[in-house]
This record gives sequence, structure tokens and C-alpha cells, in this order.
Amino acid sequence: NAGVTQTPKFQVLKTGQSMTLQCAQDMNHNSMYWYRQDPGMGLRLIYYSASEGTTDKGEVPNGYNVSRLNKREFSLRLESAAPSQTSVYFCASKRGRGLQNTGELFFGEGSRLTVL
Amino acid sequence: AQTVTQSQPEMSVQEAETVTLSCTYDTSENNYYLFWYKQPPSRQMILVIRQEAYKQQNATENRFSVNFQKAAKSFSLKISDSQLGDTAMYFCAFRPIIQGAQKLVFGQGTRLTINP
Repeated sequence: NAGVTQTPKFQVLKTGQSMTLQCAQDMNHNSMYWYRQDPGMGLRLIYYSASEGTTDKGEVPNGYNVSRLNKREFSLRLESAAPSQTSVYFCASKRGRGLQNTGELFFGEGSRLTVL
Repeated sequence: AQTVTQSQPEMSVQEAETVTLSCTYDTSENNYYLFWYKQPPSRQMILVIRQEAYKQQNATENRFSVNFQKAAKSFSLKISDSQLGDTAMYFCAFRPIIQGAQKLVFGQGTRLTINP
């Protein structure tokens, strides 16, 4: 079972470069999320998509853009990378509405991004 | 705004001992989910245990159990007979059960080391 797949797993960028983190889930989940993880700060929500065709800002959206390409895929783009965006990024998904919605998030393995 | 606080940045115990990780949260909601996630060195976030606030009985999953004190807004995780494989970061998380609520709020994490 693939679950949530993120690519790339590691990336080094120079300040000002752009890149896109890709995420895909094969569980037919409605909602998808991008979090960043920094030491001592837990996970902070960047953007989320409650359903196909919708996206919303989380706690720390500045410097990022997202695209919900279809139900399976949710990408995160850094248009002009800054050293403050050095972090580990996690994509996650959740079923959404209905009785089967247990609130649980299913996570990808994370992508470590370093901006020099 | 909801917040989750884990007051123990690091803990260390001997193998086979019992350890309790603390978590408190702040919310005005009455219905919500609480979670403990484990993040081993591989970075993969794994759900350990889930508690629904409307259930008075504490959740249990094998060696993992919680002490849910709704009035005190406390949600501690007890690991019995700890094993080396329990070494990981542990995150407490909260999500209200209300229309439109999407994001999971995480605590800062507790780094747990199990020593042989």
C-alpha cells in the first residue's frame, strides 16, 4: 500500500530558486495538507485542501503556493526560496466527511529541504 | 485559538520501564479528537492512539494507553514495558469535531529515548 507519496525526499536549493514538492495519495481521501516541521515547533500547517478544487491558507502560508491538481495530487511550490524555508515538509491526507471520518491524518515520509 | 502544549522536550528511560508523556490543550469546543503520533528516525509519522472527547473510557492500544482528563484538558500517553523501538519523537495533536474544521493542531513534541 503506497498511501501518501512525496517527492523529492531531499533537495538543496540556493536562495531565490524555485521548486515544487509533489504529493499523491491513493486512498481516495478528500482532504490534503502540507505541514512544515521545525525543531521545537512541532508541525505547522502551511496550506490545505478540503476537497478537490479548493485550497485554504494555514498558519504559515507566506512564501508558498499550492495546487490541488485532482483528487489524488496536491503540490506545494516555493517561488523564490529563502533560508527561512529550510525545513522538513510533510504532506498528509484525510478522508473528509461522513461516518468514516475519524479525524486521523495519514502522512507521507517527508521531504527535507535546505535553502542555502 | 486551539493550542497544544507538551511540556517535556526530552525524556529517557530504561528498556522495560513505564513512561508517561504529558500533553495539555486549550479549547472552547466540547467535541474533538485527540491523537498521539510517533515519529521514529525514519521521519514517518505514525498514529499511535486516538481518543474521542465524548468517550469517557480511555483508549488503549496494546502497550500504549492514555489518561484523558477532559475537565483538566489533559491527555497523557503511557507506554508500558518500553522497547528500544519506541525511541522516537512523540506528538500530541488535537482536532475539533465541527463543521469545516480541517486542521490538526500539534504540540511541540517530546523526544523519547529508550536505553538498553
